Amino acid sequence: RKEVEQDPGPFNVPEGATVAFNCTYSNSASQSFFWYRQDCRKEPKLLMSVYSSGNEDGRFTAQLNRASQYISLLIRDSKLSDSATYLCVVNLNDYKLSFGAGTTVTVRA
Amino acid sequence: DGGITQSPKYLFRKEGQNVTLSCEQNLNHDAMYWYRQDPGQGLRLIYYSQIVNDFQKGDIAEGYSVSREKKESFPLTVTSAQKNPTAFYLCASSSWGEAFFGQGTRLTVV
Repeated sequence: RKEVEQDPGPFNVPEGATVAFNCTYSNSASQSFFWYRQDCRKEPKLLMSVYSSGNEDGRFTAQLNRASQYISLLIRDSKLSDSATYLCVVNLNDYKLSFGAGTTVTVRA
Repeated sequence: DGGITQSPKYLFRKEGQNVTLSCEQNLNHDAMYWYRQDPGQGLRLIYYSQIVNDFQKGDIAEGYSVSREKKESFPLTVTSAQKNPTAFYLCASSSWGEAFFGQGTRLTVV
């Protein structure tokens, strides 16, 4: 079983729609969790950290469910500029980061 | 400005040649990583280093080598033993789990 698994998508949504997707992780000892955004042919950039209580940053909401070992990302009021691949990252300790393969989101006009 | 720098941005290699990709950071991070990304695929870990003079194999280390003689530098050598080296290579450093990436090197075998 892979350490981190994501639905690859693609999720094709109209502007203004809400889109949500999950990421599951296999190691229950994982300590911290992040969502990264990667644009085509560019390096990944941190979108947001994921906290146990859930957190929100503008139109983006991240949740963590330790019991079921998954994290989620929800994007409200989608913009064309939200089109990208979203990578889930799980940190087992300070030195071992595991990346999911990414979920592709395409927002259409 | 603090950051992580990879060079070159594009690299062409003839079959049978070794090439070295540079990665330098001035973020004072202990941990550094090398990932490979193929078109439409996720990131796969090649090597990582927790501290100077120490490094560990990742999931796809065969055909690659690294060194960590200085905290700031973590070069990756793609050897002739790597049978399919054409890919996008990303270097990262991390602190408390948050990773910072360089802009990547696109390696093409010609």
